[in-house]
Parts: sequence; C-alpha cells; structure tokens
Amino acid sequence: AQTVTQSQPEMSVQEAETVTLSCTYDTSESDYYLFWYKQPPSRQMILVIRQEAYKQQNATENRFSVNFQKAAKSFSLKISDSQLGDAAMYFCAYRSAGGGNKLTFGTGTQLKVEL
Amino acid sequence: GAGVSQSPRYKVAKRGQDVALRCDPISGHVSLFWYQQALGQGPEFLTYFQNEAQLDKSGLPSDRFFAERPEGSVSTLKIQRTQQEDSAVYLCASSLGGTGLFFYEQYFGPGTRLTVT
Repeated sequence: AQTVTQSQPEMSVQEAETVTLSCTYDTSESDYYLFWYKQPPSRQMILVIRQEAYKQQNATENRFSVNFQKAAKSFSLKISDSQLGDAAMYFCAYRSAGGGNKLTFGTGTQLKVEL
Repeated sequence: GAGVSQSPRYKVAKRGQDVALRCDPISGHVSLFWYQQALGQGPEFLTYFQNEAQLDKSGLPSDRFFAERPEGSVSTLKIQRTQQEDSAVYLCASSLGGTGLFFYEQYFGPGTRLTVT
C-alpha cells in the first residue's frame, strides 16, 4: 500500500515571501501521479498542481511549483510571492496510474501567511 | 450545477441513529468517490463508483457503512447505527473518467460534517 507523509503540521510565511512544503511518499509502483491540494476553511478541496511520475520536468502553475525527486520519493511544493489568500491546509496526494483512481492523502500542512 | 454539491452541510446524530448523506456530482461525470476526513487528518478513501457500479469499497470501515449510486448520478452514503468514531467530514468527489490524467482530475464537494453525540 502507498503512504504519504507530510512532516510539517504547520508553516508560516511572510506575505510576498517564498515557502516550501515537504512531502514524501512510499510506493513500489513506477508509474503514478502526485498532487497538491489546498483546503481552505470552507473545506472544499482545490487542486493546486499535479505531477506525472514519468515526467522529469517539474510542474509549474503560476506562483506554485514542485520539486519532484523520484528516486528520493520526495515531492515538495514551493509557493512564491505568498499572498494572504494562500493561507489554508495543504495536502499532498498520490494516485496510482493503473487500476484504481483513489487518492491517498498525507496528514496536511497548515500554512499561515503573515503581514 | 457548476460543481459537486453535498447535503446536508452539517448533520448531528445521536449515537445509534441512521444517517444518509447525499452527493450530486458534476453533470456527466462518470466516476464518483467518497472520502472520510477526521479532524486534523487528511481525507481517507471510502468507496468508488463508475456510473452505477461500485468498483471499490475497500475503504468502508465497517458493514454499517453503505453507499449507492443507482442511476449513475446522485450518490448516497448511509451510515447505520452511528457511533462517535463516525464523527468526521465526509467528502464526495467526481471526475469525468476515461483515460489520461486530464479526465481523472477529481473535483470535490464542500463536504458534510457529521457529529455523533
């Protein structure tokens, strides 16, 4: 079974600064997908960014980028130019490429953005 | 509608009561998922439907939990004889299905917060 670990329960960042959230995972599969989701207090999970394991290039979406290290099974999220609206719980998630489509989530990192 | 909707948003049940939680997926979405999110935790998979077929129910914690999607659209998660440990947010997600990453993106609803007293 796959597991996803987020070792930072809370992180803080100053507005306009950069912050990196960590995620490691364990799997025996070679083909899979990784995601970062944002969950604001409204509880609605929002997809921030995704990465296909077969792609060596790190995914980027505007101010959000990832550092995907397949050999190390590491998948960190970098948020640049942090904004107040980035404050939320962030979850790292794994999905197998074959068969079932379920997501396996980490325990989350609460991000606080300070003025 | 524009997104996944769930009802009710909040539900308080006395221990031993049965509850039914509803999920309306995005129109045309083939796949539907239920997740359970305990306080301070990440969501955990419960079950998965493709159209009306329940293809994976490996995450259902006990036989008190039952899910259905009889016409391949709306789904209901039923919990019988609720226990305090059932208190959680129940999230529903839907996706287009098909092949490739694009069609598998899951769109989440706002969840139902269940409190069992």
